[in-house]
Amino acid sequence: KQEVTQIPAALSVPEGENLVLNCSFTDSAIYNLQWFRQDPGKGLTSLLLIQSSQREQTSGRLNASLDKSSGRSTLYIAASQPGDSATYLCAVSSGNTGKLIFGQGTTLQVKP
Amino acid sequence: GAVVSQHPSWVICKSGTSVKIECRSLDFQATTMFWYRQFPKQSLMLMATSNEGSKATYEQGVEKDKFLINHASLTLSTLTVTSAHPEDSSFYICSARKGGNSPLHFGNGTRLTVT
Repeated sequence: KQEVTQIPAALSVPEGENLVLNCSFTDSAIYNLQWFRQDPGKGLTSLLLIQSSQREQTSGRLNASLDKSSGRSTLYIAASQPGDSATYLCAVSSGNTGKLIFGQGTTLQVKP
Repeated sequence: GAVVSQHPSWVICKSGTSVKIECRSLDFQATTMFWYRQFPKQSLMLMATSNEGSKATYEQGVEKDKFLINHASLTLSTLTVTSAHPEDSSFYICSARKGGNSPLHFGNGTRLTVT
């Protein structure tokens, strides 16, 4: 059974810092991996999607990497801003079914 | 971009009553919709997969008679929590996609509080 773990559960950094969020999964036979952002009481915003054949994806200040063999992904946020404060969720899909298995998220606070 | 709308955004109901939550794809036809539940400080857990015109597929441990899912059209899926109890209080989120390799789009969620 696939399990997704995110470390740390919470993170507080000063504005401007670069930071890394970690995601690990137990079954390396994934179809894709996605990173989402969730603001309090809100739905999910997709940030980056990495197909199983890819190693990384970049969007603006965000870079996500994927190492399938070790069951790990990282989300790198450059030059963090207070507006980046949110919960970041990692989710994996084992096939093209659309069904996602989520980690518990990392709640990020960026202090001005 | 593709938009998924959920309604209501929050609802309070009394124990024993039923509540219906709607999930609409506003600008695309969603062959498949998914319903998730999120308890406080926990992650999203998939409840069921809903395909238009067919019965929903429920995940293990989810009571299909308690959480009724209807996907009667390509733009609308509904989740009805029947005989709600306080332990059903949670954040319910739907997602939808056109099909195939299409990306998933999430609604803004519904906060259900059962008193």
